[in-house]
Amino acid sequence: NAGVTQTPKFRILKIGQSMTLQCTQDMNHNYMYWYRQDPGMGLKLIYYSVGAGITDKGEVPNGYNVSRSTTEDFPLRLELAAPSQTSVYFCASSYTPSGTMFYEQYFGPGTRLTVT
Amino acid sequence: GIQVEQSPPDLILQEGANSTLRCNFSDSVNNLQWFHQNPWGQLINLFYIPSGTKQNGRLSATTVATERYSLLYISSSQTTDSGVYFCAVERGYTDKLIFGTGTRLQVFP
Repeated sequence: NAGVTQTPKFRILKIGQSMTLQCTQDMNHNYMYWYRQDPGMGLKLIYYSVGAGITDKGEVPNGYNVSRSTTEDFPLRLELAAPSQTSVYFCASSYTPSGTMFYEQYFGPGTRLTVT
Repeated sequence: GIQVEQSPPDLILQEGANSTLRCNFSDSVNNLQWFHQNPWGQLINLFYIPSGTKQNGRLSATTVATERYSLLYISSSQTTDSGVYFCAVERGYTDKLIFGTGTRLQVFP
């Protein structure tokens, strides 16, 4: 199993550009998440999904969009990039056998994004 | 919302020393996990431990849910233990974890 994979690893965007961060997991996990981590800080949840076709906002959703058309993929879209979106973005997944409680979260390697 | 506080914020150790990291949370939780972020940024899940005690090699964790804290013990520390340790909790089946601000550990040879 590759686990959780993210592409690209690094990206530099100009202000106002758009891009999609890709996330794929091969563990058949139903839950998937997007976090951002600013320098020296903890992780903040942007969006999450409890299954294909279902997404919901986290703590810091403004400026981002997500979709979940398959169990494996959970892309994060940045529209009209701003310097405040400079951060490291992590995708994660977890499994809920009962649908009411999830267990360990597994993280991808991250995407380092700079907006100038 | 629930508050998650970790202490100490920074810890410097010599190889071979033992350490205890603490995570306090402001309300009851149904999910608590410890993560290690290595110096290259990779996040690794160490423990899923909403209550009780678990051990994995030199690492062990204890959560006392009734008193709203969890402890992560690192014994015989190695330079590879360096990085940031995060505690994260879920309250009330919200489907999401709230992360603390972390403890930065540096282990020197």
